Amino acid sequence: GDSVTQMEGPVTLSEEAFLTINCTYTATGYPSLFWYVQYPGEGLQLLLKATKADDKGSNKGFEATYRKETTSFHLEKGSVQVSDSAVYFCATNTNAGKSTFGDGTTLTVKP
Amino acid sequence: NAGVTQTPKFRVLKTGQSMTLLCAQDMNHEYMYWYRQDPGMGLRLIHYSVGEGTTAKGEVPDGYNVSRLKKQNFLLGLESAAPSQTSVYFCASSYFGQGVGNIQYFGAGTRLSVL
Repeated sequence: GDSVTQMEGPVTLSEEAFLTINCTYTATGYPSLFWYVQYPGEGLQLLLKATKADDKGSNKGFEATYRKETTSFHLEKGSVQVSDSAVYFCATNTNAGKSTFGDGTTLTVKP
Repeated sequence: NAGVTQTPKFRVLKTGQSMTLLCAQDMNHEYMYWYRQDPGMGLRLIHYSVGEGTTAKGEVPDGYNVSRLKKQNFLLGLESAAPSQTSVYFCASSYFGQGVGNIQYFGAGTRLSVL
């Protein structure tokens, strides 16, 4: 079955630092790829997505590019803010009914 | 637009007690899911449904039952709670769109403690 491997956390950065959270996947077929974010005490919410190779998803200053050749979908942000502190989940979807989630990476941004 | 609503938000059970968690969505989504989230283990799929009247097992179904009698509701039951079922439970719903993939919308979670 599908699997998702995320960079282990926790990740601690200073405000305005550059962020990368690595995500690689294995999947049969041609998956859609997602990043979800979970703020403290809340459920997950979609951050960005890409549905085919070389697509770039972007939202709130975050970006991720669908790299089929390296089976990766790394999350980046050029300048993080304290409000970005959250848990980030990478996910794939090849089967219309189910998605596969990574274990999550906790990001803490200090002022 | 409420999205996905879970009730209750918190619950404490004694070992052996039973309970039902309710999930309701108002987006007319076909697919609904129940996950549990434990520290260091990410999200694990318990059961899911691809339409009204259908259910299927996920990754960790033992000790849980589900029902989807109405399209908008997905119930998760614990018949005899065990301490190992202490967790945060999330419900989600989704639709699958060509060129969109399967975007899931999550509830705020139910924090369950089994003593």
